Amino acid sequence: DIQMTQSPSSLSASVGDRVTIPCRASENIGSYLNWYQQQPGKAPKLLISAASSLQTGVPSRFSGSGSGTDFTLIISSLQPEDFATYYCQQSFNTPYTFGQGTKLEIK
Amino acid sequence: QVQLQESGPLLVKPSGTLSLNCDVSGGSISSTSWWTWVRQSPGKGLEWIGEISRSGSTFYNPSLKSRVAIFLDRSKNQFSLRLTSVTATDTAKYYCARETDYYQSGVYYRAFDLWGQGTMVTVST
Repeated sequence: DIQMTQSPSSLSASVGDRVTIPCRASENIGSYLNWYQQQPGKAPKLLISAASSLQTGVPSRFSGSGSGTDFTLIISSLQPEDFATYYCQQSFNTPYTFGQGTKLEIK
Repeated sequence: QVQLQESGPLLVKPSGTLSLNCDVSGGSISSTSWWTWVRQSPGKGLEWIGEISRSGSTFYNPSLKSRVAIFLDRSKNQFSLRLTSVTATDTAKYYCARETDYYQSGVYYRAFDLWGQGTMVTVST
């Protein structure tokens, strides 16, 4: 299985900050990388597919970059509603695997 | 607008079988290539369980493969999950989701773009 590593598991930031959330794959997955946002008690929401393609309706302050094994989710200016847990997921092959998540907390 | 809704028993006894349905509304289950199940143990991350195509082909997570089955029922516009010989470690919130392929630069990339709200299943006596 491809292992997805997200570190740190939590991150503290303030409204207006620029935040970067890293994700690393255990092998080359090209651009087969998705990012999801999960609010407490809710289902995950797809933010970015194919490493950098923003989903319709997702604010432009979110962006994704990377290919191969190293990827980054960037939030350019944090808003109050962005405090949530973020997961990366590889769709290169099955079993599809997720990172353990990075929880974005208010500083 | 397509929506997904999970349903099924919320409590299952150890060694029993967990059975969940995912009702697809607002669209035909045959209009999407792949449907999937994902679970999340309390306080933990996300685990992919398996997927089924509109033609009925399936792929399962090897960690569950001997215990899991996913079915399609076109007449009810739903797909279902069955997990046998459950233990406390199967206690989790179970989500059904739609897989969509996005075409970019000559390649199709897959993502889970639509999710049900999830249903919490507890394995306990």
